[in-house]
Amino acid sequence: GAGVSQSPRYKVAKRGQDVALRCDPISGHVSLFWYQQALGQGPEFLTYFQNEAQLDKSGLPSDRFFAERPEGSVSTLKIQRTQQEDSAVYLCASSLGTGYGYEQYFGPGTRLTVT
Amino acid sequence: AQSVAQPEDQVNVAEGNPLTVKCTYSVSGNPYLFWYVQYPNRGLQFLLKYITGDNLVKGSYGFEAEFNKSQTSFHLKKPSALVSDSALYFCAPGTGGFKTIFGAGTRLFVKA
Repeated sequence: GAGVSQSPRYKVAKRGQDVALRCDPISGHVSLFWYQQALGQGPEFLTYFQNEAQLDKSGLPSDRFFAERPEGSVSTLKIQRTQQEDSAVYLCASSLGTGYGYEQYFGPGTRLTVT
Repeated sequence: AQSVAQPEDQVNVAEGNPLTVKCTYSVSGNPYLFWYVQYPNRGLQFLLKYITGDNLVKGSYGFEAEFNKSQTSFHLKKPSALVSDSALYFCAPGTGGFKTIFGAGTRLFVKA
């Protein structure tokens, strides 16, 4: 079946613009994660959804970052008033179950460049 | 504080030789441990995991990893490396909550 898809794959934003990044998880996957990956680093956790409920948003770096998953499937990560330090690859992942023993399936990422 | 360390930025090995990519961790409670691989221009892929049971777990592409509780390590191994194994490898312990922490990654170069 289809894997996790993300769009757009590349996004260039001028500083101060708002951006919205989309994630389509694998059908039937309950859990959805967003990560930020800076160049040469491992992914950093941003937020976690179990179905439509956002159960952990401790990794969101500021109140400019907002995520939603209103119907428990597609998710959107929104960044308001983008700053240069927001430039990174944003990864979405989904997993079948709700426990932390389930492996995650990752999308290809959205590379955000803020100029 | 919960943490993960991959002490080697890069590992170089000749094709056909065994390889080891090291990982140590510090998490509370029983650890749930994962290895993921990132090939060039491709997304992160799950390789293997340890949840409970046998300390030696086997995964995709002939990889295996050994869980050592006393040393809090979960080293990734393969008996015979292939050039196609060249990639970026991440160790990722579960923290007991919803958050997974990822190491900084180890780049593996396999030379023909």
